[in-house]
Amino acid sequence: DIVMTQSPDSLAVSLGERATINCKSSQSVLYRSNNKNYLAWYQQKPGQPPKLLIYWASTRESGVPDRFSGSGSGTDFTLTISSLQAEDVAVYYCQQYYSTPPGTFGQGTTVEIK
Amino acid sequence: EVQLLESGGGLVQPGGSLRLSCAASGFTFSNYAMSWVRQAPGKGLERVSLISVTSSTYYADSVKGRLTISRDNSKNTLYLQMNSLRAEDTAVYYCAKGDEEMATLTPLNYWGQGTLVTVSS
Repeated sequence: DIVMTQSPDSLAVSLGERATINCKSSQSVLYRSNNKNYLAWYQQKPGQPPKLLIYWASTRESGVPDRFSGSGSGTDFTLTISSLQAEDVAVYYCQQYYSTPPGTFGQGTTVEIK
Repeated sequence: EVQLLESGGGLVQPGGSLRLSCAASGFTFSNYAMSWVRQAPGKGLERVSLISVTSSTYYADSVKGRLTISRDNSKNTLYLQMNSLRAEDTAVYYCAKGDEEMATLTPLNYWGQGTLVTVSS
């Protein structure tokens, strides 16, 4: 099974500053046949279900603010919040959907306001 | 508007059974892979099962042989039959829809609000 490891487990960022979350997979999630990375990012606020933010490693879901961006390829990925807003306080998860058994999630990264 | 409404959660004793349902609306249910994802209290996400549009099924090792996913396209409903339940199965169970039509390997773009399953004596 592919293991997803996020870093850090938590971070505190000042309002308006950049937040960066890393995600590393135990094997590549890049499909050579279509050159797509099967990697998604989700945001979960307290008491709510997760919300899809980014898929194919860097494609923003419709309606997601452009301060959220995804990058990376193969085994190393990054979610960046360019200018942290109060409403971005949440837990963020990466997920690979490259393989079954069901695509695995990272352990989550908690983003707080400093 | 896509809606996913889970039901069937509750308190069950260890070794017991429970059947979760997820009523879907707002999209052509039969054309999308569906998943169950769980979250233990204060913990992260675990995708426990997936069913494709052709009803191929996939399970996490932690639930294989005990949980069974199924779908009834005529009723737009997803199910999770849970047998031989253990304390570690205690979690909120979310129903989630695949993003890309007809695809199995696809992210989850809509989620229900979840239903809580508590396994305790």
